Amino acid sequence: NAGVMQNPRHLVRRRGQEARLRCSPMKGHSHVYWYRQLPEEGLKFMVYLQKENIIDESGMPKERFSAEFPKEGPSILRIQQVVRGDSAAYFCASSRRLAGGSGEQFFGPGTRLTVL
Amino acid sequence: AQKVTQAQTEISVVEKEDVTLDCVYETRDTTYYLFWYKQPPSGELVFLIRRNSFDEQNEISGRYSWNFQKSTSSFNFTITASQVVDSAVYFCALSETNFGNEKLTFGTGTRLTIIP
Repeated sequence: NAGVMQNPRHLVRRRGQEARLRCSPMKGHSHVYWYRQLPEEGLKFMVYLQKENIIDESGMPKERFSAEFPKEGPSILRIQQVVRGDSAAYFCASSRRLAGGSGEQFFGPGTRLTVL
Repeated sequence: AQKVTQAQTEISVVEKEDVTLDCVYETRDTTYYLFWYKQPPSGELVFLIRRNSFDEQNEISGRYSWNFQKSTSSFNFTITASQVVDSAVYFCALSETNFGNEKLTFGTGTRLTIIP
């Protein structure tokens, strides 16, 4: 069973470029969460998606950031016109909704974004 | 709003000593889930335990044990006979079952160093 897959594992961008981070959930999981971990900090929720729907994007910066989870293919977190403050580890997690309860979230290995 | 506090930023103990990592949470929900994750130096997130708010039984898994005290809103984690491989950052997290959105709120983490 393949776990949650994220690619690339490391991404270097110059200021002003675009960053695309991909997440393939575990087989059978239809819920995807994105979290950001700034250096020496805990993880912060960004966005929660189900197939073709954004359920909660309350943790996403209002500008430059967007996310999608199409019917086919991986979930994409897109950061336009990156700035140095976007440098962080971005983790994706997937879960299978359990009736009445919190499905365990399985995390991918993360994408470490460095903005030069 | 939900909140998780890990007051211990860093802890160092000598190998084979026992160590307890503290976690205090805040939530207005009566139904919620608590988690512990381990983040070793390699950076991935390793799931350790999930506990729902209705189950206050303590849990033991090998050298790991967890003490859930609803009265004090705490979910502490103890490692017995610590080993060097336990060196990592440990995160406590909380999830409220809010209309199926089970986003995790993380504490800021405790960096545990086991000295050989």
